[in-house]
Amino acid sequence: QKEVEQNSGPLSVPEGAIASLNCTYSDRGSQSFFWYRQYSGKSPELIMFIYSNGDKEDGRFTAQLNKASQYVSLLIRDSQPSDSATYLCAVSLGYIPTFGRGTSLIVHP
Amino acid sequence: DAGVIQSPRHEVTEMGQEVTLRCKPISGHDYLFWYRQTMMRGLELLIYFNNNVPIDDSGMPEDRFSAKMPNASFSTLKIQPSEPRDSAVYFCASRTGDTEAFFGQGTRLTVV
Repeated sequence: QKEVEQNSGPLSVPEGAIASLNCTYSDRGSQSFFWYRQYSGKSPELIMFIYSNGDKEDGRFTAQLNKASQYVSLLIRDSQPSDSATYLCAVSLGYIPTFGRGTSLIVHP
Repeated sequence: DAGVIQSPRHEVTEMGQEVTLRCKPISGHDYLFWYRQTMMRGLELLIYFNNNVPIDDSGMPEDRFSAKMPNASFSTLKIQPSEPRDSAVYFCASRTGDTEAFFGQGTRLTVV
């Protein structure tokens, strides 16, 4: 059974700090990794995807993947109150994404 | 493209009634997914289709749930009879290849 684990939080960080969100997965054959952001009452929207080991940067966001440890993370630099949301980790084996339950992030001014 | 379109956005129904949720995927996407989201269980995959064919419905909780995709631009998720524990937000998502899944706005279902 494929499992994707995330700390539910909430993770509370001050404005301007780095927020670090973590995710582990059970299926070693997983090939694609995604981070979605979901605001309350809204649908999930993609922030980042990563396929290869290492880091991938996009603006204030950095995704990190370590397949040996079955671990993927998302760093948010210079966190803003508008980043307050639930962050969902998704892992795909083939074309079927399995989601974690999400980590709630609160960025306070 | 307008994205994945779901209807209705909100549905309130009485226990025992039939509920039908609708989804129009993004044109050209060959995978369609139905998810259910609750506080307790997060985002659960109920069923997915590839090229209109149901591939895996192992996530469908009970026989009361059924899904169809009669053509590439339309899918339905039906609950008959509905029960209060079916109350949740139901999302439809579509994708092509190994891209990300795009989600519709969801249907918030309340069964009283």
